[in-house]
Amino acid sequence: EVQLVQSGAEVKNPGESLKISCEGSGYRFTSHWIGWVRQIPGKGLEWMGIIYPGDSDTRYSPSFQGQVTISADKSISTAYLQWSSLKASDTAIYYCARQLDPPGLRPFDIWGQGTMVTVSS
Amino acid sequence: DIVMTQSPDSLAVSLGERATINCKSSQSILYTSNNKNYLAWYQQKRGQPPKLLIYWASTRESGVPDRFSGSGSGTDFTLTISSLQAEDVAVYYCQQYYSGPPCAFGQGTKVEIK
Repeated sequence: EVQLVQSGAEVKNPGESLKISCEGSGYRFTSHWIGWVRQIPGKGLEWMGIIYPGDSDTRYSPSFQGQVTISADKSISTAYLQWSSLKASDTAIYYCARQLDPPGLRPFDIWGQGTMVTVSS
Repeated sequence: DIVMTQSPDSLAVSLGERATINCKSSQSILYTSNNKNYLAWYQQKRGQPPKLLIYWASTRESGVPDRFSGSGSGTDFTLTISSLQAEDVAVYYCQQYYSGPPCAFGQGTKVEIK
């Protein structure tokens, strides 16, 4: 079964760092782009960026460039989303998702279950 | 950036009736060299991640019931649920993947039972 399994919910203080993960299984992890999507509770979907685990080529939405870092470790079929200094406005559900077959930009056909990140003092 | 705008924001439809959701892109997302519209539709039920329903504007993802259909070209697209079932209550999003980043989503349309 093709699936993406994300790390568990996090509660952090403003200014703290955080790295959440997304492990792929059931397919060749290095052959599909993995993306991250933010959803503030009660709001819509925001496309953050994508990474190609085969060579770590990464593309960011301008809205998120410099705010987060997307990375991947192909040896363990895992993608990451990290913050160096969290803000209250980063409170959201973060989904990882696999793009349909390359090449190029494609929709997301497989989604992780989501990771809730709460930033509060 | 390409902006995606959905209408309406919400709609209530009786069981067995047709539901229609519109999506408009700020520029054409039809790639003329392959005659494909780079438009996808997703369904998100409460407490769940989104689920891909349709891509290339009208191709149903495997396992998606045939009451869901997509149409349109260029800048104007439609998702139709031909006979609404109780399990179709959800928020529906369109997304363009013609250019990016970002591959923007529409703001979502909430479908409820009347």
